[in-house]
Amino acid sequence: GAVVSQHPSWVICKSGTSVKIECRSLDFQATTMFWYRQFPKQSLMLMATSNEGSKATYEQGVEKDKFLINHASLTLSTLTVTSAHPEDSSFYICSTVGGRDNEQFFGPGTRLTVL
Amino acid sequence: TQLLEQSPQFLSIQEGENLTVYCNSSSVFSSLQWYRQEPGEGPVLLVTVVTGGEVKKLKRLTFQFGDARKDSSLHITAAQPGDTGLYLCAGLYNQGGKLIFGQGTELSVKP
Repeated sequence: GAVVSQHPSWVICKSGTSVKIECRSLDFQATTMFWYRQFPKQSLMLMATSNEGSKATYEQGVEKDKFLINHASLTLSTLTVTSAHPEDSSFYICSTVGGRDNEQFFGPGTRLTVL
Repeated sequence: TQLLEQSPQFLSIQEGENLTVYCNSSSVFSSLQWYRQEPGEGPVLLVTVVTGGEVKKLKRLTFQFGDARKDSSLHITAAQPGDTGLYLCAGLYNQGGKLIFGQGTELSVKP
């Protein structure tokens, strides 16, 4: 399957600052990537669909001005959490679509802690 | 709104026992994927089932897709402590589209 990396793997920031998370498809050209967040012991919640060269599509209830997504190339999508607050602390995971049956392959995740 | 109900959400068993995890929906899926996730890591794809009635085996894990492609099950035989983790089912209801995730099953296998 596709190999996906994320950077950083963890980040701690102060409330009010912005944090950028990178998602890279290392061996696959990804026109579409997905961003999820996950709380402890819970399933993945889709935040948005990132489309190369166009605006991201956000799920209902996700603030697009707070979670800025940029997909400027076929191998890189970024998620910027703007003016982060403690309630934004979570595990953020990205994925690419690939494979014969449109499977999704996930990055290792980024743990964000906002103090 | 498509929903995928996964059960049980928590399961604690002894090594050597068998278990089954279920995912059910009222919607028809193009395919259904099963993932396993360990703490602090991203989900890892175990298998994809596509055809109604399909059965796939991965060592001690058996995956089944319902005839109507609305439900799926994961059966683990003789569970081992290394099977401990979060198991997620996810349905794809249009090609290249979004996955609908179940709530997840937190499995703990005690030696």
